[in-house]
Amino acid sequence: GQQLNQSPQSMFIQEGEDVSMNCTSSSIFNTWLWYKQEPGEGPVLLIALYKAGELTSNGRLTAQFGITRKDSFLNISASIPSDVGIYFCAGPSPNHFNSGGSNYKLTFGKGTLLTVNP
Amino acid sequence: NAGVTQTPKFQVLKTGQSMTLQCAQDMNHNSMYWYRQDPGMGLRLIYYSASEGTTDKGEVPNGYNVSRLNKREFSLRLESAAPSQTSVYFCASSRQVYTEAFFGQGTRLTVV
Repeated sequence: GQQLNQSPQSMFIQEGEDVSMNCTSSSIFNTWLWYKQEPGEGPVLLIALYKAGELTSNGRLTAQFGITRKDSFLNISASIPSDVGIYFCAGPSPNHFNSGGSNYKLTFGKGTLLTVNP
Repeated sequence: NAGVTQTPKFQVLKTGQSMTLQCAQDMNHNSMYWYRQDPGMGLRLIYYSASEGTTDKGEVPNGYNVSRLNKREFSLRLESAAPSQTSVYFCASSRQVYTEAFFGQGTRLTVV
């Protein structure tokens, strides 16, 4: 099954508030990816992290690659109504059923549903 | 720049019918994926192809087959559809398995 645990599962916040969410893994990851999905759309990449300790920003979004390489964090500052959506973390986890293709597969967390009240 | 294109966007099947979901990418990516998304379950990997000529099972492969037709195209086939396969299906591609993946718009499949 999935090896990524995202928390919280959902958040209800007021416009203007800051948001923090995180993702933890049972195994070491070499890459952390953060996506946002809006209703009726496919997930869209927000930030990619490739190095332990890396801190990367994309506008009001900031993500960090944890030092232990088993966790990552996403922060949204000064939230606005259009931040509403599901936020997913993802990374390459070991493929224990490798049939000759790859030792890794791209695994997603279950997502954090963000609701912003105007 | 189309990115990842999935067809069809919507489909209704009767139990036992078969169909193929098509996916094509124009980014010259090596790796392609099929995920399904169900409420509360996130994105679960069905099958993926790390590179042309290879395919591997993901978390939920039962009831599905895939074909990596060429570097651009990766199809997902349901041989005998079941109501449990009602879901939203997403295709994605990436340069390598451990790099950022880009998604299509999804196929909303209902099996009645």
